[in-house]
Amino acid sequence: DSGVTQTPKHLITATGQRVTLRCSPRSGDLSVYWYQQSLDQGLQFLIQYYNGEERAKGNILERFSAQQFPDLHSELNLSSLELGDSALYFCASSVGGSATYEQYFGPGTRLTVT
Amino acid sequence: DQQVKQNSPSLSVQEGRISILNCDYTNSMFDYFLWYKKYPAEGPTFLISISSIKDKNEDGRFTVFLNKSAKHLSLHIVPSQPGDSAVYFCAASADSGYALNFGKGTSLLVTP
Repeated sequence: DSGVTQTPKHLITATGQRVTLRCSPRSGDLSVYWYQQSLDQGLQFLIQYYNGEERAKGNILERFSAQQFPDLHSELNLSSLELGDSALYFCASSVGGSATYEQYFGPGTRLTVT
Repeated sequence: DQQVKQNSPSLSVQEGRISILNCDYTNSMFDYFLWYKKYPAEGPTFLISISSIKDKNEDGRFTVFLNKSAKHLSLHIVPSQPGDSAVYFCAASADSGYALNFGKGTSLLVTP
């Protein structure tokens, strides 16, 4: 158990819909990362927050947004969903803001768009 | 554009032998490299890392080698155990920055 929790574990929704994925980081970790793992793809970095502020952005679509709240939990919002958005979405947390800090991953949320 | 490449999708090794997982990268700005291990239905877990100022880092049965001139790193597992069967991801970051660039992973199967 990494100490990072993600809800829900599974999500099935239709095209055009909007969903919210939630992540609670390990106690004491200030940084939250979101990654997407599609079929046949490695983990693609989406976005990072550090202590409530956006720190880095990767290949995140404009239809996706995220935020980190004062209690440090984070939410990833996916809207106007398309079939290609079906993937595993991982959240990771670390104590510091740079990549040299070990990232602890949650179990992921599997999103299926039908 | 895949900047971190793991060209072997799978690898099968006998228990007790050495497992060698390879990773190539294209971005010369990468200066920090990591290996993560992932079991089914779980998130990746950190295994070992190496900074570009080193060419080798060892942690128990796991050793990572870095060849900067070839833009290549490898993970050696000796001796391999059935519990090592998992997907291994290579990752890299630039200027000790914020984002990790991951490869697509290599599925290792260690057979008894």
